[in-house]
Amino acid sequence: LAKTTQPISMDSYEGQEVNITCSHNNIATNDYITWYQQFPSQGPRFIIQGYKTKVTNEVASLFIPADRKSSTLSLPRVSLSDTAVYYCLVGDPWGGSARQLTFGSGTQLTVLP
Amino acid sequence: GAGVSQTPSNKVTEKGKYVELRCDPISGHTALYWYRQSLGQGPEFLIYFQGTGAADDSGLPNDRFFAVRPEGSVSTLKIQRTERGDSAVYLCASSRSGRSGADTQYFGPGTRLTVL
Repeated sequence: LAKTTQPISMDSYEGQEVNITCSHNNIATNDYITWYQQFPSQGPRFIIQGYKTKVTNEVASLFIPADRKSSTLSLPRVSLSDTAVYYCLVGDPWGGSARQLTFGSGTQLTVLP
Repeated sequence: GAGVSQTPSNKVTEKGKYVELRCDPISGHTALYWYRQSLGQGPEFLIYFQGTGAADDSGLPNDRFFAVRPEGSVSTLKIQRTERGDSAVYLCASSRSGRSGADTQYFGPGTRLTVL
């Protein structure tokens, strides 16, 4: 199973760029890397997904090195509303076991004014 | 369009009782997932459906837990003889096909189950 490891918590200030790194040493060939954001009392919300190199969308960038054993979620110019728990998820429910789809404990990001 | 919905939003029951939790996935999504989330933890996989069939139920903790998706859309998670340790938020997610690691899951708001 591609177990993931993330920092438990991070603090930042409004307007700063935040980078959250996830380690996944046992990632399999068909696995994709997906990041989710979760606010209290809500389900996780998709942020970004990638397989290799760099992916960018309107809210974040995802950097994946060539060996794919880690990934970094980059949030540009965070605001107070970005305070949430961020999870990385690695897996392929079809090709592997859906049980791989288990989130780690996530990273609690707190954005300070 | 409508997202994933779950009912009820909250359920309080007594130890030993039977409960059913419902999930309405996004229309057209063939894959459906159930997770359980305890306080301070990430979601824990329970079961995954492809259409009407359970493609992977390896995350169900024991035989008190069962889930169905008879018509390939709405799913019901059933818990018999509830125990206090079953208290958690039960999340449902759906995805377009579930046939690729690139398939994005969309989550519902969850059902908070409290077993007294």
